[in-house]
Amino acid sequence: EVQLVESGGGLVKPGGSLRLSCAASGFTFSSYSMNWVRQAPGKGLEWVSSISSSTSYIYYADSVKGRFTISRDNAKNSLYLQMNSLRAEDTAVYYCARHSFSVDYFDYWGQGTLVTVSS
Amino acid sequence: QAVVTQEPSFSVSPGGTVTLTCGLSSGSVSTSYYPSWYQQTPGQAPRTLIYSTNTRSSGVPDRFSGSILGNKAALTIAGAQADDESDYYCVLYMGSGIWVFGGGTKLTVL
Repeated sequence: EVQLVESGGGLVKPGGSLRLSCAASGFTFSSYSMNWVRQAPGKGLEWVSSISSSTSYIYYADSVKGRFTISRDNAKNSLYLQMNSLRAEDTAVYYCARHSFSVDYFDYWGQGTLVTVSS
Repeated sequence: QAVVTQEPSFSVSPGGTVTLTCGLSSGSVSTSYYPSWYQQTPGQAPRTLIYSTNTRSSGVPDRFSGSILGNKAALTIAGAQADDESDYYCVLYMGSGIWVFGGGTKLTVL
């Protein structure tokens, strides 16, 4: 069974940093591109970043470019999101989502971890 | 960056049929955007319904179908049930690794 479990969320002050993790199991993690998608309280989904299976391709939404860094450790079956220079508008539930192997869509989602940026 | 548009809200009677759409602020949605649809209930993670315009994800009832209608992607729910009351999101692939979600449609079944 595919499982994605996010962790690392919490309360952080504006300008601070936080590192999110996503532990993957039930599939060959190293074969799949992965994504982060977030959802601000009461708002819609927003794609944040994606990383290819071998880390050759990395993409970011304009809203986080230059502040967030996506990475992965295929040996540890883990996906990460390093978030720096956090702003109040980064407050959201952050979901880890797997990119389908052969078709372009997000096929499995984690339960999310809440990041709150507030003084 | 392109804006993906969805109806903010929609209502349907139990047993009725509803079609939600997913458009672009400028231009037409085609299969080349690989439209996919996700259902989300409060406090839960999104659930994948439809991908590649019209392919149902595993376990999704055939009451849910996807298509291109005119210049938009569409999600049709036939025989609406009470537990279809959810938020529905579409997402489009813009190329160069960029995905853009629509603002979501809150579906009420009453």
